[in-house]
Amino acid sequence: ETGVTQTPRHLVMGMTNKKSLKCEQHLGHNAMYWYKQSAKKPLELMFVYSLEERVENNSVPSRFSPECPNSSHLFLHLHTLQPEDSALYLCASSQGASGTEAFFGQGTRLTVV
Amino acid sequence: AQSVTQPDIHITVSEGASLELRCNYSYGATPYLFWYVQSPGQGLQLLLKYFSGDTLVQGIKGFEAEFKRSQSSFNLRKPSVHWSDAAEYFCAVGGIQGAQKLVFGQGTRLTINP
Repeated sequence: ETGVTQTPRHLVMGMTNKKSLKCEQHLGHNAMYWYKQSAKKPLELMFVYSLEERVENNSVPSRFSPECPNSSHLFLHLHTLQPEDSALYLCASSQGASGTEAFFGQGTRLTVV
Repeated sequence: AQSVTQPDIHITVSEGASLELRCNYSYGATPYLFWYVQSPGQGLQLLLKYFSGDTLVQGIKGFEAEFKRSQSSFNLRKPSVHWSDAAEYFCAVGGIQGAQKLVFGQGTRLTINP
């Protein structure tokens, strides 16, 4: 059983829809991340939250909007997405100290139609 | 800037054969190195990590990796693969800023022939 849980596992949405991805970590970590994994591309780090503050935003379009209400929960709000946004979205968490590894959830497979 | 190269996009080996997956990195300071595995439709699971000390590190599922500073490499090995090892493998490099600055390679897809 993973310490990082993502819901839903699969999501199909139209380009005009608004939806949210949810991530919850049960590991007591203080940093959480959103990654995008597209076919034939390396993992792309989208957002980093440390101690509930956004510390990194890697030039992600504004149609992706993260929210971190507390250290255990992370959301990714989606609106007016494009078909090229279809991908596996992975959430991860870490303790944030030097040398620590990231623990990943199972991902949400997003298809934009 | 730090970077990771996995030269092999796809590797096929027979069950029971030995395996080596290559990883080369570029990093300006002491690197922290990781190997992750991803089964189809799943997230990434940590296989092993190197921070310091013994350059040969043991991981889960019978995997090991060797850090070679002179070659900027961190290759993953397994003496005898099992069909369940079929997956995608990712090498990653980080530093003292920890997981917040992890950079991943493009991954190597491993296929196992029966």
